Amino acid sequence: QVQLVQSGGEVKKPGASVKVSCKASGYTFTNYGIAWVRQAPGRGLEWMGYISAYNGNTHYAQTLQGRLTMTTDASTGTAYMELRSLRSDDTAIYYCARDSPFSDYWGQGTLVTVSS
Amino acid sequence: DIQMTQSPSTLSASVGDRVTITCRASQTIGNWLAWYQQKPGKAPKLLIYKASNLASGVPSRFSGSGSGTEFTLTVSSLQPDDFASYYCQEFNTDSRTFGQGTKVEIK
Repeated sequence: QVQLVQSGGEVKKPGASVKVSCKASGYTFTNYGIAWVRQAPGRGLEWMGYISAYNGNTHYAQTLQGRLTMTTDASTGTAYMELRSLRSDDTAIYYCARDSPFSDYWGQGTLVTVSS
Repeated sequence: DIQMTQSPSTLSASVGDRVTITCRASQTIGNWLAWYQQKPGKAPKLLIYKASNLASGVPSRFSGSGSGTEFTLTVSSLQPDDFASYYCQEFNTDSRTFGQGTKVEIK
């Protein structure tokens, strides 16, 4: 069965970086992309971007351009999302999802807290 | 980027009610629309893809319709498990914008 398992919660100070992993299993990793979506406390879903696990092509939300990098490691079936120059409004649950291009399978979410 | 506008933002309903949520796109997206359900503390769950296709395992009381710029998600007879938030998402473009969400509450 398809599973996406994310790394654990993180607490970071403003200005720091965070890198969240998403390990996929149960399907051919390079046949799909991985999307990243975040949700601030009490807010809706915000699409951050996606990466093709086939060729590494990425598309990032304009609001995050310059701070966001998505990568994949096909040898381990793992996707990574790195967000830099963290601010308090980056506090959110970060989800990875298989990109089909709709998001048919989701990780459990990773809480990233940005606080001084 | 395409803007996706859902209405209503909140909906109060009773078990057994027929419920409809609308999602409007700021420009035509064909049928490239998905609907998700999210319960508190849980990841979203895919309900509908390509506007009207039921995802695997989703009860048949859920249905989706529409094309172009206007779409609807209908629950034919609301069940206790259906009280949740619902989001539409376009996947016509690389930006994959979500609607702002609709919370379905118990009346």
